Amino acid sequence: DAMVIQNPRYQVTQFGKPVTLSCSQTLNHNVMYWYQQKSSQAPKLLFHYYDKDFNNEADTPDNFQSRRPNTSFCFLDIRSPGLGDAAMYLCATSRDIRGLPYNEQFFGPGTRLTVL
Amino acid sequence: AQSVTQLDSQVPVFEEAPVELRCNYSSSVSVYLFWHVQYPNQGLQLLLKYLSGSTLVKGINGFEAEFNKSQTSFHLRKPSVHISDTAEYFCAVSDRADYKLSFGAGTTVTVRA
Repeated sequence: DAMVIQNPRYQVTQFGKPVTLSCSQTLNHNVMYWYQQKSSQAPKLLFHYYDKDFNNEADTPDNFQSRRPNTSFCFLDIRSPGLGDAAMYLCATSRDIRGLPYNEQFFGPGTRLTVL
Repeated sequence: AQSVTQLDSQVPVFEEAPVELRCNYSSSVSVYLFWHVQYPNQGLQLLLKYLSGSTLVKGINGFEAEFNKSQTSFHLRKPSVHISDTAEYFCAVSDRADYKLSFGAGTTVTVRA
């Protein structure tokens, strides 16, 4: 089945130790998103790739970076995790064509990050 | 810019009873509207969406929602809930010129036998 896969499902890191979360998709979608969801809160968009174009949200901290080496994979790098970065990180994809009606975002199961 | 307000943070309901989750949005432009469900430790799944046309939208798992432009609302309803409907529900809005989603804070539905 076509899907969005996130690895690992649970990640534990130490304060200040860089960590990378990964997302892959078999849907061949051109847009990939990273959301941060803290406990009992709404998902918050960090950034997205439209094809190869990177789009950062204005309030996303510099501590968060992303890479998309090809259509299928997208990575979230947290350079120096703080205690406040503990959250669920959700990856999503969509097939968007500029000028056409909105297309559904498909979400992965998420990676829960714990910072010790 | 658009925003979403979910008026109830927690909704306890008995099995086989009806449920309504309230969602209001604010936007200066035409929008698309969505309801997603999130089961514990899982990603979000789309329940239904309003893009245009009929204001009553039917989704998966017996859910439906009604778009009311004059009241800027998009309330979600189900006539008879099951234990398996226990989850977090998120209303979301997207500006028609911008495909990004803005989510409400979520409503936790707990279904009891």
